[in-house]
Amino acid sequence: KAGVTQTPRYLIKTRGQQVTLSCSPISGHRSVSWYQQTPGQGLQFLFEYFSETQRNKGNFPGRFSGRQFSNSRSEMNVSTLELGDSALYLCASSITDQPQHFGDGTRLSIL
Amino acid sequence: QKEVEQDPGPLSVPEGAIVSLNCTYSNSAFQYFMWYRQYSRKGPELLMYTYSSGNKEDGRFTAQVDKSSKYISLFIRDSQPSDSATYLCAMSDTLNYGGATNKLIFGTGTLLAVQP
Repeated sequence: KAGVTQTPRYLIKTRGQQVTLSCSPISGHRSVSWYQQTPGQGLQFLFEYFSETQRNKGNFPGRFSGRQFSNSRSEMNVSTLELGDSALYLCASSITDQPQHFGDGTRLSIL
Repeated sequence: QKEVEQDPGPLSVPEGAIVSLNCTYSNSAFQYFMWYRQYSRKGPELLMYTYSSGNKEDGRFTAQVDKSSKYISLFIRDSQPSDSATYLCAMSDTLNYGGATNKLIFGTGTLLAVQP
């Protein structure tokens, strides 16, 4: 069974640009969560989607947004990029009553 | 104060040693406890998960949860160089049951190095 797939693996952007990251969950998983991982703050929850609805959102500015499609695939978007947005962005999927499984992330670097 | 505290290490042990990794937490609503292992340039990989208090064993790994002390542990027996990674504890008050949300709160991770 294929795991969680995130694309692209690496991205380099400049300040002020926007970026879209993609996540394909494990087949049959309807919940998709996004996390930001930085050396200083560790893993922090961004948001979670279930059946195309955002069920929870972390403490991040409105520049961070996401969506989920009917096939459970998810995207997250960051607008007006700042240097501090440089991080590893992780996607995780799960099914009811089971813990989350993570992809290998997208490494975003802002110049 | 962070909801979940974890010693960042690094922790260096010789091959074959027993490793003890720990986390403390402050939110008494946490019921689900997980340990993830993260190798460099990879995503977190689920190792163990437990519900409420008690022990759970899987091969060389044992997870313990003491809710009365708000303390969880992961023990690795007969440690191997391939166990060298960052170990992350994570907790949640729900686990995607029905309409419940699925937010995990992570510790900062402990970097473990097992020397051959």
